[in-house]
Amino acid sequence: DQQVKQNSPSLSVQEGRISILNCDYTNSMFDYFLWYKKYPAEGPTFLISISSIKDKNEDGRFTVFLNKSAKHLSLHIVPSQPGDSAVYFCAASGNTGRRALTFGSGTRLQVQP
Amino acid sequence: DARVTQTPRHKVTEMGQEVTMRCQPILGHNTVFWYRQTMMQGLELLAYFRNRAPLDDSGMPKDRFSAEMPDATLATLKIQPSEPRDSAVYFCASGLVLGTGSSGANVLTFGAGSRLTVL
Repeated sequence: DQQVKQNSPSLSVQEGRISILNCDYTNSMFDYFLWYKKYPAEGPTFLISISSIKDKNEDGRFTVFLNKSAKHLSLHIVPSQPGDSAVYFCAASGNTGRRALTFGSGTRLQVQP
Repeated sequence: DARVTQTPRHKVTEMGQEVTMRCQPILGHNTVFWYRQTMMQGLELLAYFRNRAPLDDSGMPKDRFSAEMPDATLATLKIQPSEPRDSAVYFCASGLVLGTGSSGANVLTFGAGSRLTVL
């Protein structure tokens, strides 16, 4: 039972345009959400996060939106650059004190020059 | 530049052999995680340690997998005996969690991974 779902395995976008990556979750106990970026042969690296008390967090070209009622979050990259081409993982952390991250299956983003 | 170090980076072994993967977490971090990446499942949590104590290993096949933290600078993941279905990339990650309860920034730092191939 996947508690964090990324339903789009891949996404292709033109350089300069907006990339929108989506993530859905089912566990209402999740209260902290993160996006990680992964290049081939490397470990995932932290990109941006959002607490459940907010609905938006912005860091440069990256913005994460959270819709708690829909249990949905999205990552917007504007403008997209070829260097953004990577696999993006959505992750969620539960309010249990354990704080193990539950990851989605990832979305491969390709930004075309 | 603090980083999580994993060894070996690549391992090819035959079915039935024992495999041990090692991880050196970032100094000062009090949580260590083992994740496995497969094509179908994405990143699966295998084990989670906090202050060297195992908190969650429910994602790990108990009959063949074991995870330990002999000391604060070393975490190990052992597979015995290994099977072809264990072929995957195994990631170690460490983080710092202060206190318990409500949400906090458990931002994990991942190692580069150990790619395991079991023939």
